[in-house]
Amino acid sequence: EVQLVESGGGLVQPGGSLRLSCAASGFTFSSYWMHWVRQAPGKGLVWVSRINSDGSSTSYADSVKGRFTISRDNAKNTLYLQMNSLRAEDTAVYYCARASSSGWYPFDYWGQGTLVTVSS
Amino acid sequence: EIVLTQSPGTLSLSPGERATLSCRASQSVSSTYLAWYQQKPGQAPRLLIYGASTRATGIPDRFSGSGSGTDFTLTISRLEPEDFAVYYCQQHGSSPLTFGPGTKVDIK
Repeated sequence: EVQLVESGGGLVQPGGSLRLSCAASGFTFSSYWMHWVRQAPGKGLVWVSRINSDGSSTSYADSVKGRFTISRDNAKNTLYLQMNSLRAEDTAVYYCARASSSGWYPFDYWGQGTLVTVSS
Repeated sequence: EIVLTQSPGTLSLSPGERATLSCRASQSVSSTYLAWYQQKPGQAPRLLIYGASTRATGIPDRFSGSGSGTDFTLTISRLEPEDFAVYYCQQHGSSPLTFGPGTKVDIK
């Protein structure tokens, strides 16, 4: 059974940092592109970042470029999102999601999400 | 950036009725890269349709997708109680990937 379990969310002050993790199981993690998607309270889905299968290529939404870094450890079956210089508008539930294959594919599995709250 | 617009914002219907949801793109999207997701309160989104018209694994056949170019449609032929949710379209072929704002299907 495919499982994605996020962790690392919490309350952080503006300007602070946080690292999210997404532990994957039930599939060959190293064969799939992975993504982060966020959802502010009561709002819609917003794509944040993606990483290819071996971690050599990444993309970011303009709103997080230069502040967030996506990475993965295929030996540990874990996806990461390092978030620096956090702002109030980064407050959201952050989901990790698996692309259904290696490439620009839809997201066939999602984690349950982890809440990040940026507030003083 | 490809902007997706969904209409209506809210659709109020009764169980058993037909729901027709629209997704319009600001520029042409290959059908290969158009997906639909369902999200219920407190839950992660679930993939419903990919390739504009192919149902994902386990999705009942009352859900169907159609369209091409800039206009896409998700149809639920007969609403079941568990179908009342928010539906998002997504284009995943061009970075940045984008989602529409969603259509909420609620009980009339």
